[in-house]
Amino acid sequence: QVRLVESGGNVVQPGGSLRLSCTASGFSFSNHGIHWVRQAPGKGLEWVAFVRHGGTEKFYGDSVKGRFTVSRDNSKKTVYLEMKSLRAEDTAVYYCARDVAYCPGSSCPAPNWLDLWGQGTLVTVSS
Amino acid sequence: DIVMTQSPDSLAVSLGERATINCKSSQSVLHSSNNKNYLAWYQQKPGQPPKLLFHWASTRESGVPDRFSGSGSGTDFTLTISSLQAEDVAVYFCQQYYNSQISFGQGTRLEIK
Repeated sequence: QVRLVESGGNVVQPGGSLRLSCTASGFSFSNHGIHWVRQAPGKGLEWVAFVRHGGTEKFYGDSVKGRFTVSRDNSKKTVYLEMKSLRAEDTAVYYCARDVAYCPGSSCPAPNWLDLWGQGTLVTVSS
Repeated sequence: DIVMTQSPDSLAVSLGERATINCKSSQSVLHSSNNKNYLAWYQQKPGQPPKLLFHWASTRESGVPDRFSGSGSGTDFTLTISSLQAEDVAVYFCQQYYNSQISFGQGTRLEIK
């Protein structure tokens, strides 16, 4: 079954840290970039971060740059989002999503559209 | 950064009638190298993750009913549902992938009148 499953969401105090995981199954994980997108309660979608298929190139949204770090372990078919200095405004459902581009080699198109989404994991930042 | 702005924020349409959602980008997302618009549309139903509807502004994903269509070029885009069905109630988002910092519109909530 082709899917992405997020985990690690929790309640954390302001200023705290948390690590989210996104585990893939059913497709060639190491050939796809992975995005993190979040959605605050009742709000729209905000792109958070992207990691290329090889893990060496990463991009971040302005609101999380310097606080969040994305990484991946292709042997475990897992992408991580390390979140530090958390703020109340980071409260959201965090989705991981697959970039559509299939990258058999080192070169790959820039981030594209997102064709497979997980169900999300909730992060609540509150004292 | 490219800012995506959708209109309206919410929309109520009668069953069987046409629904039109607009998306405007702060700069053109039409790439001159391939003449393609780097824009996608998603549908999100309550309690579910987003579902991809279109890429390249007008290329419909497999399984998406043909009452859905995408159009536009440059900075102005439209998602149209020709005959609204009850199962189309959802929030719709546009997304640009013209540069490495992708971005979404704020969403348009579609309801039944």
